[in-house]
Amino acid sequence: RKEVEQDPGPFNVPEGATVAFNCTYSNSASQSFFWYRQDCRKEPKLLMSVYSSGNEDGRFTAQLNRASQYISLLIRDSKLSDSATYLCAVNGRGSNYKLTFGKGTLLTVNP
Amino acid sequence: DVKVTQSSRYLVKRTGEKVFLECVQDMDHENMFWYRQDPGLGLRLIYFSYDVKMKEKGDIPEGYSVSREKKERFSLILESASTNQTSMYLCASSAVDRGENYGYTFGSGTRLTVV
Repeated sequence: RKEVEQDPGPFNVPEGATVAFNCTYSNSASQSFFWYRQDCRKEPKLLMSVYSSGNEDGRFTAQLNRASQYISLLIRDSKLSDSATYLCAVNGRGSNYKLTFGKGTLLTVNP
Repeated sequence: DVKVTQSSRYLVKRTGEKVFLECVQDMDHENMFWYRQDPGLGLRLIYFSYDVKMKEKGDIPEGYSVSREKKERFSLILESASTNQTSMYLCASSAVDRGENYGYTFGSGTRLTVV
């Protein structure tokens, strides 16, 4: 099993839709979880951390399921500007400093 | 806001050249990282550093070395550039406080082409 896996998509959704991404991880001892957003030919930017109790930031909700070892990102009321690649990141084996990234899920929001 | 600055946005080098990629961060972060990103392969860790003069190999260190002489600066060196090192190179820094990781801030990347 790969350390961090994501469905590569692409996800094509209409404006206003709700879309969810999942990301599975293999290291049951992982403590740090993040979602990043990457626009085409730009650097990844931190979207949100994922906390054990789940957390929300506007239209974005992140959740952690330790039992099944996955994190999720839910985007409600999608906007055209949400079109991007979404990367999950999890701290690697033996280190809380080093992150392993998924390959990303491409989201396109259509008018 | 944390700023991570990479010295070049685009770089074209010849096979066999020694290449230096520079990265500077302004938030006094202990941890710095070099990744490369390739289509279909995602972000892969080349080297990282927990502190000045400290370095550790990542997942793909072959053909690369690093230098961290000052806390704010982390350099990636391609000893003898090859065409398979054509890639987007991303530097990142992070803080870890009392065991909590606050995530990375990335530089804007250097798109390196080796011809």
